[in-house]
Amino acid sequence: QKEVEQNSGPLSVPEGAIASLNCTYSDRGSQSFFWYRQYSGKSPELIMSIYSNGDKEDGRFTAQLNKASQYVSLLIRDSQPSDSATYLCAVKWSGGSNYKLTFGKGTLLTVNP
Amino acid sequence: GAGVSQSPSNKVTEKGKDVELRCDPISGHTALYWYRQRLGQGLEFLIYFQGNSAPDKSGLPSDRFSAERTGESVSTLTIQRTQQEDSAVYLCASSPGVPGTQYFGPGTRLLVL
Repeated sequence: QKEVEQNSGPLSVPEGAIASLNCTYSDRGSQSFFWYRQYSGKSPELIMSIYSNGDKEDGRFTAQLNKASQYVSLLIRDSQPSDSATYLCAVKWSGGSNYKLTFGKGTLLTVNP
Repeated sequence: GAGVSQSPSNKVTEKGKDVELRCDPISGHTALYWYRQRLGQGLEFLIYFQGNSAPDKSGLPSDRFSAERTGESVSTLTIQRTQQEDSAVYLCASSPGVPGTQYFGPGTRLLVL
């Protein structure tokens, strides 16, 4: 059973701090990783994708991938109250289908003003 | 351009009734996905369409669930003889072909009384 694990939280950080969200996955051969943000009562939206080991930055967001340790993380710098949402990690498994993503259950982030 | 649309946005039905949920993907997107999200839970994959065919129906919970897609566009998810445990948000997503770049619709909130 291939799994994507996330701490459900809630993770609470003060405004302006760095929020760190972590995700581990079970398939060592996985190649593609995605972070989706889901506001309460809304549908998920893609915010970051990462395919290679290391860091990928996009504005205040940085995705970090470590395939040897099988984890992917999302850092949010200068956190804002508007970043308060559930963050979903998604993984495309190696081999087999090339279309299917498996989502973690998400981490609820609360940024306090 | 227009995003993914779903209808109805909310549906309340009685146990045992059939319901149809509709998804209009982004024009030109060949891939279409249905997910279920129970309250406070992650995304549960139901079915994937590539064009009008469904190569992966592995997530459909039971034979009460079925889905079709026509004209490489609109998809309908049908739940027969609804049960209370079917209550959830049903999300549709479409993709231009890159597996992780899924664009979600606003969802249909189904409540079975």
